[in-house]
Amino acid sequence: DVKVTQSSRYLVKRTGEKVFLECVQDMDHENMFWYRQDPGLGLRLIYFSYDVKMKEKGDIPEGYSVSREKKERFSLILESASTNQTSMYLCASRDRAWANVLTFGAGSRLTVL
Amino acid sequence: AQTVTQSQPEMSVQEAETVTLSCTYDTSESDYYLFWYKQPPSRQMILVIRQEAYKQQNATENRFSVNFQKAAKSFSLKISDSQLGDAAMYFCAYRRLYTGANSKLTFGKGITLSVRP
Repeated sequence: DVKVTQSSRYLVKRTGEKVFLECVQDMDHENMFWYRQDPGLGLRLIYFSYDVKMKEKGDIPEGYSVSREKKERFSLILESASTNQTSMYLCASRDRAWANVLTFGAGSRLTVL
Repeated sequence: AQTVTQSQPEMSVQEAETVTLSCTYDTSESDYYLFWYKQPPSRQMILVIRQEAYKQQNATENRFSVNFQKAAKSFSLKISDSQLGDAAMYFCAYRRLYTGANSKLTFGKGITLSVRP
């Protein structure tokens, strides 16, 4: 089975801190995604990457950046965390075949104080 | 832009009974995929079922089946013989068919299903 591993399940950070959320997949998938999940809002796409060093903004990229230096790893970066970035963050991957579906990680619950 | 609407935030079902979760979507495309994802309390999202819009036959996976009404843009999920393990949040999602490598899913807001023993 494909595994998508998010390095931290729970994080607590202070306003203004730089935050890194790491995601690693083990099935050589080309596409990787970062979603944010909030109650009543569902999943909203922050950024996605369709190959190494390639990235595209999703629906809510403001306040975030990403890095994909290696195929298996996709990092979400909060340059200066704010309280409104308190949320559940979900990473997902998919291979390039258009029929395939997303495989998700377990999620990272970030609290910004 | 495509939108996915799940109008019911919560539903409850008695164990062993059948429940239907509703989803509607808006698109001008004729070819696309529709999905139902399940997110149990442990939080890892998993695929429940997938439907290709060009297929008239409704998809089925064991106790899970869909009622796909293309003209009405409706995509409901039916869970038969509900089990305690079906308790989760369920998300409906849409994806265009011909979008290449960088295609993305649009999700609904989700519905929380509880199962009463």
